[in-house]
Amino acid sequence: AGITQSPRHKVTETGTPVTLRCHQTENHRYMYWYRQDPGMGLRLIYYSASEGTTDKGEVPNGYNVSRLNKREFSLRLESAAPSQTSVYFCAISDPGTTGGYTFGSGTRLTVV
Amino acid sequence: AQKVTQAQTEISVVEKEDVTLDCVYETRDTTYYLFWYKQPPSGELVFLIRRNSFDEQNEISGRYSWNFQKSTSSFNFTITASQVVDSAVYFCALGRRPNTGNQFYFGTGTSLTVIP
Repeated sequence: AGITQSPRHKVTETGTPVTLRCHQTENHRYMYWYRQDPGMGLRLIYYSASEGTTDKGEVPNGYNVSRLNKREFSLRLESAAPSQTSVYFCAISDPGTTGGYTFGSGTRLTVV
Repeated sequence: AQKVTQAQTEISVVEKEDVTLDCVYETRDTTYYLFWYKQPPSGELVFLIRRNSFDEQNEISGRYSWNFQKSTSSFNFTITASQVVDSAVYFCALGRRPNTGNQFYFGTGTSLTVIP
């Protein structure tokens, strides 16, 4: 429903750059990147309240983001580290909606 | 500070038993929202319910029910007559007012296994 994450799975080597992409068709204002690790729940990496604006979440170190337009929000790991092995979720929300977040299907990233 | 605590890490029940998943939250906001999400083994996150802080009315949806008590800062989730398909990780989340960035705070999740 409305959010596409790419790729779905990726294995990469330590030190290589990685970009995860998120595209929404819902035209929601807010977009988010979370990582999910066992026993840690979901932790916010970065979020964006509008095109061209981004803000740090709970665990931003080692990541950069770009809100290219209202529908695209990318997450970049400049130099992937094994500690960044995780499942990454993109989410969207809008003040006008009543259902909280809508999540993408997730990207499973493994850094070897 | 905002915080959500799900003290139950793992729960196992036999099919048809009732089970309650606990959620305790902390916030200084006067207006906030509480959510439950389900994450089945396939990995996607499925929205179940949202409650507003000013509406303490309990809600029932089929076999699911939610008990919101501001006095104890709890938002517990009960599954009646559990089924194998209920096996999943369940997350409770606290949301701030719309237009407040960094809106959501998730608990660490409760893994529910329903044994046939």
